[in-house]
Amino acid sequence: SQTIHQWPATLVQPVGSPLSLECTVEGTSNPNLYWYRQAAGRGLQLLFYSVGIGQISSEVPQNLSASRPQDRQFILSSKKLLLSDSGFYLCAWRENGYTFGSGTRLTVV
Amino acid sequence: DQQVKQNSPSLSVQEGRISILNCDYTNSMFDYFLWYKKYPAEGPTFLISISSIKDKNEDGRFTVFLNKSAKHLSLHIVPSQPGDSAVYFCAAESDTGNQFYFGTGTSLTVIP
Repeated sequence: SQTIHQWPATLVQPVGSPLSLECTVEGTSNPNLYWYRQAAGRGLQLLFYSVGIGQISSEVPQNLSASRPQDRQFILSSKKLLLSDSGFYLCAWRENGYTFGSGTRLTVV
Repeated sequence: DQQVKQNSPSLSVQEGRISILNCDYTNSMFDYFLWYKKYPAEGPTFLISISSIKDKNEDGRFTVFLNKSAKHLSLHIVPSQPGDSAVYFCAAESDTGNQFYFGTGTSLTVIP
Protein backbone atom coordinates (compact mmCIF):
# COMPACT_ATOMS: atom_id res chain seq x y z
CA SER A 1 0.00 0.00 0.00
CA GLN A 2 1.05 3.58 -0.53
CA THR A 3 2.00 5.58 2.53
CA ILE A 4 3.69 8.86 3.26
CA HIS A 5 5.78 9.54 6.34
CA GLN A 6 6.75 12.92 7.65
CA TRP A 7 8.78 13.78 10.73
CA PRO A 8 9.16 15.18 13.26
CA ALA A 9 5.60 15.95 14.28
CA THR A 10 6.58 18.97 16.35
CA LEU A 11 9.74 21.01 16.50
CA VAL A 12 10.84 24.02 18.52
CA GLN A 13 13.94 25.70 17.20
CA PRO A 14 15.75 28.94 18.10
CA VAL A 15 16.09 31.73 15.58
CA GLY A 16 19.18 31.28 13.45
CA SER A 17 19.34 27.52 13.86
CA PRO A 18 19.18 25.11 10.89
CA LEU A 19 16.17 23.05 9.90
CA SER A 20 15.69 19.69 8.28
CA LEU A 21 12.27 18.14 7.76
CA GLU A 22 12.10 14.79 6.06
CA CYS A 23 9.38 13.16 4.03
CA THR A 24 9.41 9.67 2.56
CA VAL A 25 6.85 7.75 0.56
CA GLU A 26 6.35 4.03 0.20
CA GLY A 27 4.54 1.92 -2.32
CA THR A 28 5.07 4.15 -5.30
CA SER A 29 7.88 5.06 -7.64
CA ASN A 30 8.85 8.37 -9.20
CA PRO A 31 6.17 10.29 -7.31
CA ASN A 32 5.57 14.01 -7.64
CA LEU A 33 6.36 15.37 -4.19
CA TYR A 34 5.39 18.67 -2.61
CA TRP A 35 6.07 20.80 0.44
CA TYR A 36 3.22 23.01 1.63
CA ARG A 37 2.94 25.38 4.53
CA GLN A 38 -0.35 26.15 6.18
CA ALA A 39 -0.36 29.82 7.07
CA ALA A 40 -3.12 31.55 8.97
CA GLY A 41 -5.49 33.27 6.57
CA ARG A 42 -3.68 31.96 3.51
CA GLY A 43 -4.64 28.33 3.26
CA LEU A 44 -2.08 25.86 2.05
CA GLN A 45 0.80 27.60 0.35
CA LEU A 46 2.95 25.62 -2.06
CA LEU A 47 6.63 25.99 -1.24
CA PHE A 48 8.42 23.45 -3.44
CA TYR A 49 7.62 20.59 -5.75
CA SER A 50 9.73 17.90 -7.30
CA VAL A 51 9.00 15.63 -10.24
CA GLY A 52 12.15 13.55 -9.81
CA ILE A 53 15.54 13.09 -8.15
CA GLY A 54 17.44 16.36 -8.03
CA GLN A 55 14.57 18.28 -9.64
CA ILE A 56 13.21 21.05 -7.44
CA SER A 57 10.89 23.89 -8.36
CA SER A 58 10.40 26.76 -5.96
CA GLU A 59 7.10 28.59 -5.90
CA VAL A 60 7.78 31.14 -3.19
CA PRO A 61 11.15 32.83 -2.63
CA GLN A 62 12.04 32.57 1.02
CA ASN A 63 14.41 31.34 3.65
CA LEU A 64 13.84 27.68 2.84
CA SER A 65 15.23 25.18 0.38
CA ALA A 66 14.33 21.65 -0.67
CA SER A 67 16.21 18.64 -1.93
CA ARG A 68 15.28 15.30 -3.49
CA PRO A 69 18.27 13.01 -2.85
CA GLN A 70 16.34 9.82 -3.54
CA ASP A 71 13.25 8.94 -5.53
CA ARG A 72 11.03 8.63 -2.49
CA GLN A 73 12.66 11.18 -0.20
CA PHE A 74 11.98 14.89 -0.06
CA ILE A 75 13.71 17.19 2.43
CA LEU A 76 12.86 20.74 3.48
CA SER A 77 15.76 22.71 4.91
CA SER A 78 16.89 26.05 6.16
CA LYS A 79 20.36 27.25 7.10
CA LYS A 80 19.08 29.90 9.50
CA LEU A 81 15.51 29.93 10.73
CA LEU A 82 13.54 33.14 11.08
CA LEU A 83 10.63 33.78 13.42
CA SER A 84 8.40 34.02 10.36
CA ASP A 85 9.24 30.41 9.45
CA SER A 86 6.98 29.21 12.24
CA GLY A 87 4.02 27.29 10.90
CA PHE A 88 2.59 23.94 9.97
CA TYR A 89 4.48 22.18 7.18
CA LEU A 90 2.99 19.43 5.09
CA CYS A 91 4.58 17.02 2.67
CA ALA A 92 2.37 15.61 -0.04
CA TRP A 93 2.52 13.36 -3.03
CA ARG A 94 0.28 13.65 -6.01
CA GLU A 95 -1.60 10.78 -7.59
CA ASN A 96 -5.24 11.37 -8.45
CA GLY A 97 -5.24 14.27 -6.04
CA TYR A 98 -2.98 14.81 -3.11
CA THR A 99 -2.09 12.59 -0.19
CA PHE A 100 -0.66 14.51 2.72
CA GLY A 101 1.70 13.57 5.49
CA SER A 102 0.70 14.17 9.07
CA GLY A 103 2.48 17.51 9.19
CA THR A 104 5.17 19.19 11.29
CA ARG A 105 4.35 22.01 13.67
CA LEU A 106 7.44 24.23 13.67
CA THR A 107 7.82 26.93 16.28
CA VAL A 108 10.78 29.25 15.96
CA VAL A 109 11.59 31.00 19.23
CA ASP B 1 -3.09 36.70 -4.91
CA GLN B 2 -5.64 34.24 -3.55
CA GLN B 3 -7.04 32.39 -6.54
CA VAL B 4 -9.25 30.17 -4.41
CA LYS B 5 -11.30 31.81 -1.69
CA GLN B 6 -13.37 30.54 1.18
CA ASN B 7 -15.03 33.63 2.55
CA SER B 8 -16.49 32.01 5.65
CA PRO B 9 -13.75 31.22 8.16
CA SER B 10 -16.17 29.36 10.39
CA LEU B 11 -19.58 27.71 10.35
CA SER B 12 -21.71 26.18 13.10
CA VAL B 13 -24.49 23.72 12.35
CA GLN B 14 -26.79 21.62 14.50
CA GLU B 15 -26.36 17.86 14.30
CA GLY B 16 -28.65 16.35 11.68
CA ARG B 17 -28.94 19.55 9.66
CA ILE B 18 -27.23 20.38 6.40
CA SER B 19 -23.78 21.97 6.31
CA ILE B 20 -22.97 24.04 3.23
CA LEU B 21 -19.40 25.15 2.70
CA ASN B 22 -18.66 27.54 -0.13
CA CYS B 23 -15.66 28.22 -2.29
CA ASP B 24 -15.01 30.71 -5.09
CA TYR B 25 -12.21 30.77 -7.61
CA THR B 26 -10.92 33.32 -10.07
CA ASN B 27 -9.08 31.30 -12.72
CA SER B 28 -11.32 29.94 -15.47
CA MET B 29 -8.54 27.51 -16.45
CA PHE B 30 -9.06 25.46 -13.31
CA ASP B 31 -10.53 22.13 -14.35
CA TYR B 32 -10.40 19.90 -11.29
CA PHE B 33 -11.61 20.67 -7.79
CA LEU B 34 -11.25 18.91 -4.48
CA TRP B 35 -12.36 19.19 -0.90
CA TYR B 36 -10.09 18.20 1.98
CA LYS B 37 -10.91 17.75 5.62
CA LYS B 38 -8.37 18.54 8.30
CA TYR B 39 -8.31 17.81 12.01
CA PRO B 40 -5.95 19.74 14.31
CA ALA B 41 -2.31 18.60 14.17
CA GLU B 42 -3.01 16.29 11.24
CA GLY B 43 -2.52 16.54 7.50
CA PRO B 44 -5.56 17.15 5.30
CA THR B 45 -7.36 14.08 4.04
CA PHE B 46 -9.08 13.89 0.70
CA LEU B 47 -12.85 14.04 0.87
CA ILE B 48 -14.41 14.43 -2.56
CA SER B 49 -13.54 15.84 -5.96
CA ILE B 50 -15.24 17.04 -9.12
CA SER B 51 -14.07 17.52 -12.67
CA SER B 52 -15.08 20.61 -14.58
CA ILE B 53 -17.07 18.47 -17.02
CA LYS B 54 -19.54 17.71 -14.23
CA ASP B 55 -21.69 19.92 -12.07
CA LYS B 56 -22.35 17.50 -9.23
CA ASN B 57 -20.60 14.63 -7.51
CA GLU B 58 -22.03 12.70 -4.62
CA ASP B 59 -20.39 10.33 -2.13
CA GLY B 60 -22.54 9.26 0.76
CA ARG B 61 -23.37 12.24 2.93
CA PHE B 62 -21.09 14.50 0.90
CA THR B 63 -22.04 16.25 -2.32
CA VAL B 64 -19.99 18.77 -4.23
CA PHE B 65 -21.64 21.17 -6.65
CA LEU B 66 -19.79 23.12 -9.31
CA ASN B 67 -21.10 26.23 -11.03
CA LYS B 68 -18.51 27.06 -13.69
CA SER B 69 -20.20 30.21 -14.91
CA ALA B 70 -20.14 31.62 -11.39
CA LYS B 71 -16.74 30.09 -10.61
CA HIS B 72 -18.24 28.69 -7.47
CA LEU B 73 -18.28 25.31 -5.79
CA SER B 74 -19.92 24.14 -2.64
CA LEU B 75 -19.77 21.14 -0.36
CA HIS B 76 -22.97 19.87 1.19
CA ILE B 77 -22.89 17.54 4.16
CA VAL B 78 -26.20 16.02 5.10
CA PRO B 79 -26.97 15.01 7.73
CA SER B 80 -24.15 16.70 9.63
CA GLN B 81 -22.54 14.75 12.45
CA PRO B 82 -20.34 15.90 15.34
CA GLY B 83 -17.43 13.94 13.83
CA ASP B 84 -17.62 16.21 10.80
CA SER B 85 -16.26 19.06 12.92
CA ALA B 86 -12.98 19.99 11.24
CA VAL B 87 -11.44 22.53 8.91
CA TYR B 88 -12.45 22.06 5.28
CA PHE B 89 -10.24 23.24 2.45
CA CYS B 90 -11.27 23.50 -1.16
CA ALA B 91 -8.60 23.22 -3.81
CA ALA B 92 -8.42 23.78 -7.54
CA GLU B 93 -6.00 22.42 -10.12
CA SER B 94 -4.94 24.30 -13.20
CA ASP B 95 -5.09 22.64 -16.59
CA THR B 96 -1.28 22.52 -16.62
CA GLY B 97 -1.71 19.96 -13.87
CA ASN B 98 1.22 20.71 -11.66
CA GLN B 99 -0.16 22.84 -8.89
CA PHE B 100 -3.14 22.92 -6.67
CA TYR B 101 -4.39 26.16 -5.21
CA PHE B 102 -5.98 25.94 -1.82
CA GLY B 103 -8.56 28.11 -0.12
CA THR B 104 -8.02 29.49 3.37
CA GLY B 105 -10.29 26.91 4.97
CA THR B 106 -13.62 26.93 6.79
CA SER B 107 -13.82 25.61 10.32
CA LEU B 108 -17.02 23.60 10.69
CA THR B 109 -18.47 22.90 14.12
CA VAL B 110 -21.37 20.47 14.33
CA ILE B 111 -23.23 20.97 17.58
CA PRO B 112 -24.70 17.81 19.15
